[in-house]
Amino acid sequence: QQQVKQSPQSLIVQKGGISIINCAYENTAFDYFPWYQQFPGKGPALLIAIRPDVSEKKEGRFTISFNKSAKQFSLHIMDSQPGDSATYFCAASIANDYKLSFGAGTTVTVRA
Amino acid sequence: DAGVTQSPTHLIKTRGQQVTLRCSPISGHKSVSWYQQVLGQGPQFIFQYYEKEERGRGNFPDRFSARQFPNYSSELNVNALLLGDSALYLCASSHTTGSSYEQYFGPGTRLTVT
Repeated sequence: QQQVKQSPQSLIVQKGGISIINCAYENTAFDYFPWYQQFPGKGPALLIAIRPDVSEKKEGRFTISFNKSAKQFSLHIMDSQPGDSATYFCAASIANDYKLSFGAGTTVTVRA
Repeated sequence: DAGVTQSPTHLIKTRGQQVTLRCSPISGHKSVSWYQQVLGQGPQFIFQYYEKEERGRGNFPDRFSARQFPNYSSELNVNALLLGDSALYLCASSHTTGSSYEQYFGPGTRLTVT
């Protein structure tokens, strides 16, 4: 079963707007939560990551918000640009485990 | 610095055939993981190798095997190909074993089974 549930499946945002993607998990042993960006025909690129001891992390226009009690985390893309149009995946992993568990992905389209 | 490289870029095989995919990790990285990404889905973990030893295996049949070489490059082998094996195969490298560290993906090998 999918260990990380991601929503929405797709979203359309105007240039300059905010894109918000949400992920939820059940396994409280998860201790590392990365986000990946993938363009068509390319491999996923690591965008930003967070650990449970931090509630928010910001890198440029990308921000992760983490709610440990709700077992949810989200990616906010501020001032969205057409070049941000891609599929975004959240993921989670457990210390001393070997795999990243990925969400199903969100396709973001930024309209100029 | 070069990122993760994979070869070939694309591959077309017939059902029942065998295929070998190759991966070179980022210089200095000793761990290689393999993932399968079916169109429209997130990547699914297949294997992780560290220092030439298998450290983790996902829920894939024994038709899937891999190995890591002394230079930390890796090969993924798939035997008796099925139509359902058609996917993008991704290699990811990291500097150490485990998954709670940054993993960097290559561009993938697109496998089509006819």
